[in-house]
Amino acid sequence: DSGVTQTPKHLITATGQRVTLRCSPRSGDLSVYWYQQSLDQGLQFLIQYYNGEERAKGNILERFSAQQFPDLHSELNLSSLELGDSALYFCASSGGGSAGELFFGEGSRLTVL
Amino acid sequence: SQQGEEDPQALSIQEGENATMNCSYKTSINNLQWYRQNSGRGLVHLILIRSNEREKHSGRLRVTLDTSKKSSSLLITASRAADTASYFCATDAYDYKLSFGAGTTVTVRA
Repeated sequence: DSGVTQTPKHLITATGQRVTLRCSPRSGDLSVYWYQQSLDQGLQFLIQYYNGEERAKGNILERFSAQQFPDLHSELNLSSLELGDSALYFCASSGGGSAGELFFGEGSRLTVL
Repeated sequence: SQQGEEDPQALSIQEGENATMNCSYKTSINNLQWYRQNSGRGLVHLILIRSNEREKHSGRLRVTLDTSKKSSSLLITASRAADTASYFCATDAYDYKLSFGAGTTVTVRA
């Protein structure tokens, strides 16, 4: 158990819909990272937050947004969903702002029909 | 685009044999890490090697780093069925994100 909690574990929705994925980092960790894993794209970095502030951004689509709240939990919002958004979305946390060892949650599997 | 690229893409070995996989990357790095992922599960950190280190050991794992060639290798000795997983290298290029390669899928046959 990494200590990182992600909900929901599975989500099935339709194209055009909006979903919110939630992540609770390990106790004491200030950084949260979001990754998307799909068969054809591998593990893609989306965005990182450190203590509530956006620190780094990857190839995150404009339809996607994220935030980290004062209690350090984070949410990833995916809107106007397309079939190609079907993937495993991982949240990871670490103690510091730089990319040291990351602790991954079990992921949220999103299926867009 | 991905920073690290693993080679080979897939590897099948007999239990007890050693498994070696390689990772190449493109830019200067602060550190390089290896992670394991069991099918559909979250990634688990295995080992971190800093840019000023050349070799590191952890149990049955041995990692080397050659910054002049921008490459790293992961050796798993005396493999077990439980080592069946995908292995990813990830690089910290001083940019607050960890970039992952496409991974090597290792199958250990009993």
